[in-house]
Amino acid sequence: QITLKESGPTLVKPTQTLTLTCTFSGFSLSTSGVGVGWIRQPPGKALEWLALIYWDDDKRYSPSLKSRLTITKDTSKNQVVLTMTNMDPVDTATYYCAHRNIAAAGTVAFDYWGQGTLVTVSS
Amino acid sequence: DIVMTQTPLSSPVTLGQPASISCRSSQSLVHSDGNTYLSWLQQRPGQPPRLLIYKISNRFSGVPDRFSGSGAGTDFTLKISRVEAEDVGVYYCMQTTQFPLTFGPGTKVDIK
Repeated sequence: QITLKESGPTLVKPTQTLTLTCTFSGFSLSTSGVGVGWIRQPPGKALEWLALIYWDDDKRYSPSLKSRLTITKDTSKNQVVLTMTNMDPVDTATYYCAHRNIAAAGTVAFDYWGQGTLVTVSS
Repeated sequence: DIVMTQTPLSSPVTLGQPASISCRSSQSLVHSDGNTYLSWLQQRPGQPPRLLIYKISNRFSGVPDRFSGSGAGTDFTLKISRVEAEDVGVYYCMQTTQFPLTFGPGTKVDIK
């Protein structure tokens, strides 16, 4: 049974750096084809993909946010960490992490999602 | 970037009646490996997104068979054969063929 859970601050000030942790179970990020991504959703708005890290440490970022994002993994702890620098009120959103499997038998979609964590950016 | 569009953006439906959502991509979603990585997600009110359909037409584990996906290339459709009350929510198409990964704007399905 695959589960993911996001954790981090609920409130950050403008210009601060946000650090979010995704703790997962039911799969290993050392298994070929497996990845964990981050997606966010501003209140009442659509989903936006942010970043993705694969089992082989390949990392992909949204071009529009690439300069502000860093994604890392700790395989031994079953965790993926996303940092976003220079936070702004427009970054207020629910942040989700999700599992992806690009192996031949995988869905290649984001097939398991965490519950999300709401981050508010305000002074 | 591949831009995903959806129509309609809002769909009031009658319980027990069918519903259909269209999704169009700005370029072909056929990957170099021959697969088309178009998926559909459901987001019920207050809930995280849930995968319904992957690779155009494959239902994910636990998804009722009243949900079906079809299409090819740049045009795709999600159909609900008979809408139930639990189907209320926002439906997103998403392409995972090419980076950056992109979502459609969402279609809100509610009951008339």
